[in-house]
Amino acid sequence: QSVLTQPPSTSGTPGQRVTISCSGSTSNIGRNTVNWCQQLPGTAPKALIYGNSQRPSGVPDRFSGSKSGTSASLAISGLQSDDEANYYCAVWDDSVKGWVFGGGTKLTVL
Amino acid sequence: QVQLQQSGPGLVKPSQTLSLTCTISGDSVSSNSAAWNWIRQSPSRGLEWLGRTYYRSKWYNDYAVSVKSRITINPDTSKNQFSLQLNYVTPDDTAVYYCASSQLDHWGQGTLVTVSS
Repeated sequence: QSVLTQPPSTSGTPGQRVTISCSGSTSNIGRNTVNWCQQLPGTAPKALIYGNSQRPSGVPDRFSGSKSGTSASLAISGLQSDDEANYYCAVWDDSVKGWVFGGGTKLTVL
Repeated sequence: QVQLQQSGPGLVKPSQTLSLTCTISGDSVSSNSAAWNWIRQSPSRGLEWLGRTYYRSKWYNDYAVSVKSRITINPDTSKNQFSLQLNYVTPDDTAVYYCASSQLDHWGQGTLVTVSS
């Protein structure tokens, strides 16, 4: 059971906007910034969002992140077939003194 | 641009030691603003942070409680690398192991480590 809670799956059609939620607690999301990563099948995770809403260079602005209280969200607009992947949230937890992760959300582009 | 290159065996026998190395390019293992992590992923555990090493005038380590009695993460400043050692492995330690930079903004390519006799 993951410390952060994500929906197991979501889907959308090309061009649509989808959001993925990540729920935590006061010891993690409530105190620290949230990262999001994308994992294509058979590959290593790739950073999408850090510091709640910052994008590393090369990540399209179709990807955006936000945080409120002990929850965070990843939004993907203008959905493309290449976006089909697993998405994970991650945050430093002050109680366990380590990084904690969500269980991942599998995005299907219909 | 930071790049992380992993190396190490993909098969380890039960009760033996898992050893992996992560070579850093584009940054320094001794950077006063960086931390260097090991993370693993398996179907049963998902993504699991194992520990990190970092330098702040001296070296520090943080380890996950789940592996604290069995893990060592060491920096090698001469080679700009950091390593993972996990002792007394069991089949439950079978996973893809990743090294990652401070804010998980850069990841190694991953190493599938299978624990089997």
